[in-house]
Amino acid sequence: DVKVTQSSRYLVKRTGEKVFLECVQDMDHENMFWYRQDPGLGLRLIYFSYDVKMKEKGDIPEGYSVSREKKERFSLILESASTNQTSMYLCASSPGGARPYYGYTFGSGTRLTVV
Amino acid sequence: TQLLEQSPQFLSIQEGENLTVYCNSSSVFSSLQWYRQEPGEGPVLLVTVVTGGEVKKLKRLTFQFGDARKDSSLHITAAQPGDTGLYLCAGGGAGGTSYGKLTFGQGTILTVHP
Repeated sequence: DVKVTQSSRYLVKRTGEKVFLECVQDMDHENMFWYRQDPGLGLRLIYFSYDVKMKEKGDIPEGYSVSREKKERFSLILESASTNQTSMYLCASSPGGARPYYGYTFGSGTRLTVV
Repeated sequence: TQLLEQSPQFLSIQEGENLTVYCNSSSVFSSLQWYRQEPGEGPVLLVTVVTGGEVKKLKRLTFQFGDARKDSSLHITAAQPGDTGLYLCAGGGAGGTSYGKLTFGQGTILTVHP
């Protein structure tokens, strides 16, 4: 069963901490994405990557960075966590190319609370 | 930035009723997808539509892509409690450098009461 695995389901961190959220996919997908999901705001794109070591900013990249050293792994880094980064974080992957999309496969999400 | 407006935000109905969820934009999308998300899980893809006017059926769910590829609808016939969840529409932009990025609507929370 193909999947996207996020390393933690729940995390509680203190303000100012550096936080790492890990995501691994086993489908050999080129594209990987990080979204945050907040009530009433839907899913907002933070960063995405279309190849190893390649990354592009999404709609809300401030306060975040990413790393993609291997094709299967895409990490989201909160450089200095703040309370307004408390949210559900969703990782997704999809096949590459510009053809009509085959859809995202999402992980189960990481619910991060910053106190 | 392309925007997708989804309506209604909340829908609470009785088992057996029909319902329609709408997804509208002023932008043209090359494809439109619908996802369903259950509490504590990530969204799961239900369908992708790519041609203006396209209609797809998935058991009791009917999906339509507008002729101008700016809007879409999801219709559920004879809703069941198992249909309860968050429904998300997502639009894919033009090809080229979009790298498969999707723009998501805010979602519709559907509750079907037995």
